[in-house]
Amino acid sequence: DAGITQSPRYKITETGRQVTLMCHQTWSHSYMFWYRQDLGHGLRLIYYSAAADITDKGEVPDGYVVSRSKTENFPLTLESATRSQTSVYFCASSEGSIRSGGYTFGSGTRLTVV
Amino acid sequence: SQQGEEDPQALSIQEGENATMNCSYKTSINNLQWYRQNSGRGLVHLILIRSNEREKHSGRLRVTLDTSKKSSSLLITASRAADTASYFCATAMNTGFQKLVFGTGTRLLVSP
Repeated sequence: DAGITQSPRYKITETGRQVTLMCHQTWSHSYMFWYRQDLGHGLRLIYYSAAADITDKGEVPDGYVVSRSKTENFPLTLESATRSQTSVYFCASSEGSIRSGGYTFGSGTRLTVV
Repeated sequence: SQQGEEDPQALSIQEGENATMNCSYKTSINNLQWYRQNSGRGLVHLILIRSNEREKHSGRLRVTLDTSKKSSSLLITASRAADTASYFCATAMNTGFQKLVFGTGTRLLVSP
C-alpha cells in the first residue's frame, strides 16, 4: 500500500540495548521527520531530514541517531535505550514546503524500555 | 518548548453540539495547521490557515486566526461521536527550517 509505514508497531526493549525504528514512505517526499509523543508534552521533534543524506537535530535529539541513505527510508536508532525514551514515536513526511501544506504521519511505534 | 498551547485541555459535549478549541502561540508564523489524532493512531492533517488569512472553512470545520493576539480557534459544528479525538494546532515559522511545532492538544469527547 502507498503511504508512510512505521515498524514495528510495538516494541519492548531492555535498558542499554540498541533499537531501531523504521519509517518508509512511498511518495518520494523530500522532507521526513521523527517526533515523540509523551503525555503532557505533546509532540516533540527529534530529528528531521530535508533530503537523502541531509539530516539535522530537532528539539530533543540526545540519545538518538538517524540516517537517510535513501529518500524513502528514515530509520531512527536509540543507541542505548533508557527508560526516559519510553514513548510513542511518529514518523512524518512532507512533499514540499511546510509553508504550503501539511505533514502525513505514520501510525506510530509504541516503545517501552524496561 | 511548545509554540502552541491549546485550550481547553479536554472538552466533553453531546452529539449535535458545536465544539470550539483554542490555540495560542508565541512568535510570528507563516501558517497554522490543525491536526486530529484518534486514539492509538497517527495525526491527520485537517486544515491550514496562512498568516494573511482570518478565516477558513472545510466541511464542518471553521478555523479563525488572529495574528494580533497570536491565537487561533477551531470550531467543529454539529459534532458527531466520530469526532471524538485529540486535536492539535501546529505552527510553521516564517524563518528557519520548515518544521512544525505542535501544541499539547485538546481531547474532545462527543457523547451520543
